[in-house]
Amino acid sequence: AQSVTQLGSHVSVSEGALVLLRCNYSSSVPPYLFWYVQYPNQGLQLLLKYTSAATLVKGINGFEAEFKKSETSFHLTKPSAHMSDAAEYFCAVINSGNTPLVFGKGTRLSVIA
Amino acid sequence: GAGVSQSPSNKVTEKGKDVELRCDPISGHTALYWYRQRLGQGLEFLIYFQGNSAPDKSGLPSDRFSAERTGESVSTLTIQRTQQEDSAVYLCASSFGGGSNTQYFGPGTRLTVL
Repeated sequence: AQSVTQLGSHVSVSEGALVLLRCNYSSSVPPYLFWYVQYPNQGLQLLLKYTSAATLVKGINGFEAEFKKSETSFHLTKPSAHMSDAAEYFCAVINSGNTPLVFGKGTRLSVIA
Repeated sequence: GAGVSQSPSNKVTEKGKDVELRCDPISGHTALYWYRQRLGQGLEFLIYFQGNSAPDKSGLPSDRFSAERTGESVSTLTIQRTQQEDSAVYLCASSFGGGSNTQYFGPGTRLTVL
């Protein structure tokens, strides 16, 4: 069965600092991986997704993530945090076929001025 | 174009009552998903519709939960005899086809069972 582990339920960074949100997955077959962001009282918005085309995936708002098969990881990064990045971030995995997304428990990002 | 919409945005009900939650997917999206998000938790899959195929109900937590979808349009999630542990945000998503196609989420319905 596939699963996702997000290390750290809460991450706090200073404005302008590097953002690193960790995600490790478990899958018996090559997965598709997603990062979603959820702003307060809103639905989830896709940041980026990995579908095996390239291991380094660039998303919206300056975020990117690198797929590392050897480490079964798909960590999300952004070089310089903005106050507007404060939100909940979810990593998700899906195998091929008609199966639903499996989400991690989320990481809440706080950005300190 | 219009995104996924859900109604109501908030619902407060008493324990034991039935509730119906509605989802309007993006036009043309054949796949529709329901998820539940409990406070401080990730999203929990409930049910998945894909075209005219039989729905994947493997995530429904009990027989009090059911969902219907009319063709490739509106879906309703019904919770009968609500319990306090049903309190959560219920999120709907749709995609153009299933699998790895991007799922687009609605704003959710916040259900509070007193």
